[in-house]
Amino acid sequence: GQQVMQIPQYQHVQEGEDFTTYCNSSTTLSNIQWYKQRPGGHPVFLIQLVKSGEVKKQKRLTFQFGEAKKNSSLHITATQTTDVGTYFCASTNAGKSTFGDGTTLTVKP
Amino acid sequence: SQTIHQWPATLVQPVGSPLSLECTVEGTSNPNLYWYRQAAGRGLQLLFYSVGIGQISSEVPQNLSASRPQDRQFILSSKKLLLSDSGFYLCAWSVFSGLNTEAFFGQGTRLTVV
Repeated sequence: GQQVMQIPQYQHVQEGEDFTTYCNSSTTLSNIQWYKQRPGGHPVFLIQLVKSGEVKKQKRLTFQFGEAKKNSSLHITATQTTDVGTYFCASTNAGKSTFGDGTTLTVKP
Repeated sequence: SQTIHQWPATLVQPVGSPLSLECTVEGTSNPNLYWYRQAAGRGLQLLFYSVGIGQISSEVPQNLSASRPQDRQFILSSKKLLLSDSGFYLCAWSVFSGLNTEAFFGQGTRLTVV
């Protein structure tokens, strides 16, 4: 089945710095979803990408899907303390969603 | 609107005791249902998924089982809990329709086996 690897596992940044997490697969993915899990909470859907080279933005968040549809990234510009949490990528195939291990972001005020 | 209910929120159980976690979905029909486990500070491990009543796929060999007695009810069980069963258990649902594959998670159950 599809497997997605996510790096880095942890990222500590100063408030105002940028942050990027990467999601990679050895196989071509039909789609990529990104989720955010706040500390103590449950994952919440952020966005889905399906097209090769697709780029989507949500305020300070930029999501990209690679041209080969084997990798994706989430970039946060000028992090804020409200951005803390774990960011997961996931891919769905035949109704089954497989998640990466997540990148946990901490932000120093 | 669709909602997902998962209970209990926290649970402390002794080793060797049984387990039953229940998840129900409202506002949708024939959802795909999932049970995930998340160890402390770790990613989401898919345990079971179901595409219909009585249809359960197990992803990893383990001490747990799942059942789907009704369309919108998904139950995670164990006959005898192990210490290694501790973790954060998340139920989720999705409706796979074309390109829409978003998953919606319940609030989770934090299980501690002592």
